[in-house]
Amino acid sequence: EAGVTQFPSHSVIEKGQTVTLRCDPISGHDNLYWYRRVMGKEIKFLLHFVKESKQDESGMPNNRFLAERTGGTYSTLKVQPAELEDSGVYFCASSQVYRPYGYTFGSGTRLTVV
Amino acid sequence: GNSVTQMEGPVTLSEEAFLTINCTYTATGYPSLFWYVQYPGEGLQLLLKATKADDKGSNKGFEATYRKETTSFHLEKGSVQVSDSAVYFCALTRIQGAQKLVFGQGTRLTINP
Repeated sequence: EAGVTQFPSHSVIEKGQTVTLRCDPISGHDNLYWYRRVMGKEIKFLLHFVKESKQDESGMPNNRFLAERTGGTYSTLKVQPAELEDSGVYFCASSQVYRPYGYTFGSGTRLTVV
Repeated sequence: GNSVTQMEGPVTLSEEAFLTINCTYTATGYPSLFWYVQYPGEGLQLLLKATKADDKGSNKGFEATYRKETTSFHLEKGSVQVSDSAVYFCALTRIQGAQKLVFGQGTRLTINP
């Protein structure tokens, strides 16, 4: 089966611009998670979808970040306007509802805000 | 709150050396513990896991034992190979409630031939 796909793999944008990251989970995986690793620190949870519903968005840093998962398939994470501290690697993961430990992670999107 | 602390890297070893990467955690209740690995250019992959105290997770020659008394889950391998060079992340999740993972800061491991 295809894995979790994220794109772009890299993005370099200027401060104040908008960037949209996309994640395509494994087909049939209702759980979808976004995580972020900033500057070599720990990977931090951003939010969790179950199908199209936001189950937990406690990790979203501020209202410049907007995540959507229309139709319960792929998800987008928009940063608008981007700030320097948003630079990092954004990971997406998916899992089946009845196998919560069976996460599959994507390769991540490396975002650089200059 | 829940947190994970890993030994800081980077760690550089020679091939066939013994590896230990320390991981300790703070959590309420009884978390499940994981080690994830990220090889260059790839996503995070589950290396091994343990879901209750005294469980030992193992995979690809790596082992880690869930020690509740010391709140630790140290990763070990008896003889490392160049192909083990990667970034290793310790993580936990609560059995109940949200299934989100709490990660440590990662340890970059480089194995020289």
